[in-house]
Amino acid sequence: GQNIDQPTEMTATEGAIVQINCTYQTSGFNGLFWYQQHAGEAPTFLSYNVLDGLEEKGRFSSFLSRSKGYSYLLLKELQMKDSASYLCAVRDLEDSSYKLIFGSGTRLLVRP
Amino acid sequence: GAGVSQSPSNKVTEKGKDVELRCDPISGHTALYWYRQSLGQGLEFLIYFQGNSAPDKSGLPSDRFSAERTGGSVSTLTIQRTQQEDSAVYLCASRRDRGPNQPQHFGDGTRLSIL
Repeated sequence: GQNIDQPTEMTATEGAIVQINCTYQTSGFNGLFWYQQHAGEAPTFLSYNVLDGLEEKGRFSSFLSRSKGYSYLLLKELQMKDSASYLCAVRDLEDSSYKLIFGSGTRLLVRP
Repeated sequence: GAGVSQSPSNKVTEKGKDVELRCDPISGHTALYWYRQSLGQGLEFLIYFQGNSAPDKSGLPSDRFSAERTGGSVSTLTIQRTQQEDSAVYLCASRRDRGPNQPQHFGDGTRLSIL
């Protein structure tokens, strides 16, 4: 089976940097996704990691270590609009459906 | 349309009634998924469609839940004899089936409340 853990809530200050961690245990691994979800809205795709290392996309970066079952999402130059839930999801290697297994999400509050 | 469209956006119904939730995926996306998001919980997989067939129904919580997809496009999720524990946001996602790095794109969901 799979288990995904991420902190429930985080608070950070506008203009700062925040790191949201995600750890996972899966029987097989075929990629990790990060999504952003504002309250009442659709989750929107942020990043995809399947190999170890850092993927950078503007203010957002995502890191993966497969040997440690660990990922983080790094948000730089925080803006008020970054207040949202951040969802970590993994995909199982043996699963041809490519369905995602989600953590419970991290609710980020950005304060002025 | 430009994105995944779901209807209705909100549905309130009495316990025991049947409900139908609709999903219009992004045009050309052959893969379609239904998930359920309960308060404070992560998204829970329900069912996966590839075209009109559903090779993975492993997440459907009971036989009161069913889904179909027609024309390789619109999908309907039906919940019969609704129970209060069915209250949740039901999210639909579609995916272009062109390799493992293609992400799923989600609709805004249907917020279902069972009285």
